[in-house]
Amino acid sequence: GESVGLHLPTLSVQEGDNSIINCAYSNSASDYFIWYKQESGKGPQFIIDIRSNMDKRQGQRVTVLLNKTVKHLSLQIAATQPGDSAVYFCAENGGGADGLTFGKGTHLIIQP
Amino acid sequence: KAGVTQTPRYLIKTRGQQVTLSCSPISGHRSVSWYQQTPGQGLQFLFEYFSETQRNKGNFPGRFSGRQFSNSRSEMNVSTLELGDSALYLCASSPVAASYQETQYFGPGTRLLVL
Repeated sequence: GESVGLHLPTLSVQEGDNSIINCAYSNSASDYFIWYKQESGKGPQFIIDIRSNMDKRQGQRVTVLLNKTVKHLSLQIAATQPGDSAVYFCAENGGGADGLTFGKGTHLIIQP
Repeated sequence: KAGVTQTPRYLIKTRGQQVTLSCSPISGHRSVSWYQQTPGQGLQFLFEYFSETQRNKGNFPGRFSGRQFSNSRSEMNVSTLELGDSALYLCASSPVAASYQETQYFGPGTRLLVL
């Protein structure tokens, strides 16, 4: 399947600031996207998802934006906390035979 | 509701051996997918089982196989282990088949080290 990529391998932010993690996908047929958070030694944890019939979805302190025109996905985390420190992956499910296709991940580092 | 569980959590094997990993999905979930995670390749799809049938398979050699039981628990097997098989093996469960595009929930993974 086609790859889903992230723009930055590492993102460092100050505690309390907002974080924005970006993801570019290449499969224009994809219509379901998920953001996962993976802490050290743990499996990926579901954060939020969005379908292609939406361009924005909000959760608790998180917002996902989808721009289908430029095939871009972003995760916004409000008031970043130390517990947000992790690797964040975007994943794409095109409904085909390849399961979830993951980007390479962005390591979010929180500075005190 | 209990999450996805995987056993064992850690495993050390030597080249040429085989290994079996186990995954118990969230109660009521019928789809189990397996992924391999390595620093170099990231998260890669291995295969998906739904109702005891393999629905999809990723680009891995035939040494990687799996099965699913009637209670939806799944096992994956790797035969003739190679050094490059060292990885974190993750399973994910979903209430429906992956092609229906519902969320997949991951277990903690099994860390396999091949010496």
